[in-house]
Amino acid sequence: EVQLVESGGGLIQPGRSLRLSCTASGFIFGDYYVSWVRQAPGKGLEWVGFLRSKAYGGTTEYAASVKDRFVISRDDSKSVAYLQMNSLEIEDTAVYYCTQPMVRGVARSDYWGQGTLVTVSS
Amino acid sequence: EIVLTQSPGTLSLSPGERATLSCRASQSVSSSFLAWYQQKPGQAPRLLIYDASSRATGIPDRFSGSGSGTDFTLTISRLEPEDFAVYYCQQYTSSPGYSFGQGTKLEIK
Repeated sequence: EVQLVESGGGLIQPGRSLRLSCTASGFIFGDYYVSWVRQAPGKGLEWVGFLRSKAYGGTTEYAASVKDRFVISRDDSKSVAYLQMNSLEIEDTAVYYCTQPMVRGVARSDYWGQGTLVTVSS
Repeated sequence: EIVLTQSPGTLSLSPGERATLSCRASQSVSSSFLAWYQQKPGQAPRLLIYDASSRATGIPDRFSGSGSGTDFTLTISRLEPEDFAVYYCQQYTSSPGYSFGQGTKLEIK
């Protein structure tokens, strides 16, 4: 069974950094893209970005709202993906989900974690 | 960046009725790389439809997707009580910006 578990959320001051983790199990993590999606309280879903698998170049894509502040990385040996969030803003307050596809080469969100809440506030 | 506009914003229907949800893209979505998700309060979204018309594993056949280019539709043939939720479309063809629509809330009339 595929499982994704996010961790690392919490209360953080504006301007600070925070790193989220996504631990995967039940499949060969390194074969698939990994994406991050967020949802501000009471709002809709917002795509954050994704990291391709090494077989597809291992490159990243980001939403304009987080580009140059957020970095997605992965450790395939540990089946873990990371979302490094720098220069956090109040508008980054959201539940952050990691997602994975069930096919290679596509940044689709077949599987979702339960999410981790990040609150940016002074 | 492709902008997805969902309509209506809220849809009020009764169990047993048919629901039709629309997702319109500002540019053509190539290869019909469009998905539909269902989200219930306090839960993570769930994939319903991918590639515009393919049902995800375990999704009942009352859910169907159609469309191509810029116009896509999610149809629920006969609403069950558990279908009342928020529905989002997402395109995953145009990078950067694998945008979501703003959502349609399906509520019980």
